This record gives sequence, structure tokens and C-alpha cells, in this order.
Amino acid sequence: DAGVTQSPTHLIKTRGQQVTLRCSPKSGHDTVSWYQQALGQGPQFIFQYYEEEERQRGNFPDRFSGHQFPNYSSELNVNALLLGDSALYLCSFPGPSYNEQFFGPGTRLTVL
Amino acid sequence: AQKVTQAQTEISVVEKEDVTLDCVYETRDTTYYLFWYKQPPSGELVFLIRRNSFDEQNEISGRYSWNFQKSTSSFNFTITASQVVDSAVYFCALSEAGGGSQGNLIFGKGTKLSVKP
Repeated sequence: DAGVTQSPTHLIKTRGQQVTLRCSPKSGHDTVSWYQQALGQGPQFIFQYYEEEERQRGNFPDRFSGHQFPNYSSELNVNALLLGDSALYLCSFPGPSYNEQFFGPGTRLTVL
Repeated sequence: AQKVTQAQTEISVVEKEDVTLDCVYETRDTTYYLFWYKQPPSGELVFLIRRNSFDEQNEISGRYSWNFQKSTSSFNFTITASQVVDSAVYFCALSEAGGGSQGNLIFGKGTKLSVKP
């Protein structure tokens, strides 16, 4: 058990809508990363937050934004949803020694 | 540019067979980290191993073993005496050191392993 929770488990939205996904570690972690995994593909890095600031960003448009709270939980926001945003969204936290990245169970987003 | 290639899209074996999953990576960095993850049908990515670029020792953990060869930029994963519970998609990933990039994993497209009874 990696101790990472994500909510909701599944979500259905329509094009143009906005969505907020949430991620929480079991215990404090100063770094959180978000990934998008399209069907049949490997996860793709969206961005990473460290001490409440975006530290790195992958090749994703500004419609994707995030936030990290003082309690280390995190949100991923996606505006103006497109059909292509349908995917499994995963968050990850480093392990205690920073030798591992532990992933949450993911949120499956479907955009109709 | 960094890249991870898993050329095997799907592999099907019968229980108790040995199976090797291939992973080839590209990076310009001399310090980097390689990972393997398992993704069962439930969807959660399960961490299996992390290897840094300075440690070319092969590793064995139970029925799992990993062969890291810098000369061929490969980090292959072997399951010995496969079991039905090994059925999953397996991902190889690369992370480059420096700049707090521990979280920036570059994944391959994965290999779907089906182990039949």
C-alpha cells in the first residue's frame, strides 16, 4: 500500500467543462507529480509541485493547472475539456528515501 | 532527448515459463535512474525496482531479476516460472538526475504480459 489516495475514482464530463482531481498522501511529502495515461499508452508527465510551487512542467497546455496545499494534498485542474483529455490521471509521491515514486490508484476521466 | 522503448507490445506465455521484457533507453545524462512498474488491471502502478546509472549489478528479487547493461542502454526484466498473477502491463521508465527531477519519469509504452494457466 503506497498510501496515496485519489478522488474521485471515475468522472464523466462533457467537452468545454472544467474538472478538478484530488490527490493525498498518507503522510507528508513535499513533492507531488501528476501524470496523464491515455488508453494503451505509458503515463506522461504533466507537472511537479514542490513546497506549493510548480517546479517542472511537461508538454501540456495551460489548460492544465495544479495546486499543492500546506498539508501536501494536491489538485489537478483541467479547463475547457477536450475529448482527448479522456485518460487515467495519476499522482505520485516519492518514497521516504526518494528512491521510489509511489503512485495513487488514479482517476479515470471520460470526456464526452 | 530522453526516450524509453519497449518494443514488445504484448507477450503471452504459459504458466511456469520464463519471460523477459525488454527495455531500451536513450539519454545524454551520465547520471540517471531506471525503473520498472507493474500495472495490473486495477490500474494502480506498482513500483518494482529503481536502478541508478552507476550500479550495473544485476539484481534478483524472488522470481524477478533485472539485467542492466549500459553498453547497450538496456534494462531488461525477467520473470522466472511465471504465474497467472504476473499478468499485467509492465512499464520501464527513466528519470534524469539533477534539478529535483526525481518525479519526472519518462515511461515506455508498456508491455502487456498474459500468463495462461
